[in-house]
Amino acid sequence: DTAVSQTPKYLVTQMGNDKSIKCEQNLGHDTMYWYKQDSKKFLKIMFSYNNKELIINETVPNRFSPKSPDKAHLNLHINSLELGDSAVYFCASSQIINNPNTGELFFGEGSRLTVL
Amino acid sequence: GQQLNQSPQSMFIQEGEDVSMNCTSSSIFNTWLWYKQDPGEGPVLLIALYKAGELTSNGRLTAQFGITRKDSFLNISASIPSDVGIYFCAVPSGAGSYQLTFGKGTKLSVIP
Repeated sequence: DTAVSQTPKYLVTQMGNDKSIKCEQNLGHDTMYWYKQDSKKFLKIMFSYNNKELIINETVPNRFSPKSPDKAHLNLHINSLELGDSAVYFCASSQIINNPNTGELFFGEGSRLTVL
Repeated sequence: GQQLNQSPQSMFIQEGEDVSMNCTSSSIFNTWLWYKQDPGEGPVLLIALYKAGELTSNGRLTAQFGITRKDSFLNISASIPSDVGIYFCAVPSGAGSYQLTFGKGTKLSVIP
């Protein structure tokens, strides 16, 4: 069983389109994240949700809208895609509450978005 | 935001050689972490360090939490082809430490 699964794994689309990436974790964790990895492999936090509530929203254009229907899911919707949005997007989860932050994030396999 | 300076950026080594990489920061942290990212996969935690001066091993991997709490290093001994990948240092940061800040990564290539 995959602990953190995200779909699709690959996404190729035209500029201006809207697309979504879905993420699910079966680890029972209370916190989920979206990270963006650019072409230089730099990993940067985008959003963090704890028990369906947004707790981190880094400087991300408001074209990016996360949605957490329950604590096991965190989806990412992107409007009006731009060339600079091309990257690998990673979903991750961790257990924060009643657990000292050990720093262990469990990552999905990534979703490679290519905007043409 | 906090910046982690990770070096070297990339390394090419012969199979069997030892490898060393490090991470420094101008800020103090109470936790240092090392992750590895295999090609086409997400990062996976290798070693977590929670105490200044701590030296922790995981198989052929050894990591140390610097005594100043501003740095950490990772050593890999007797490298093998499956050690190939990108190694990241990371620290919990932000309010409530709900996020990790990652270094820019060290890309390791092992020549058989």
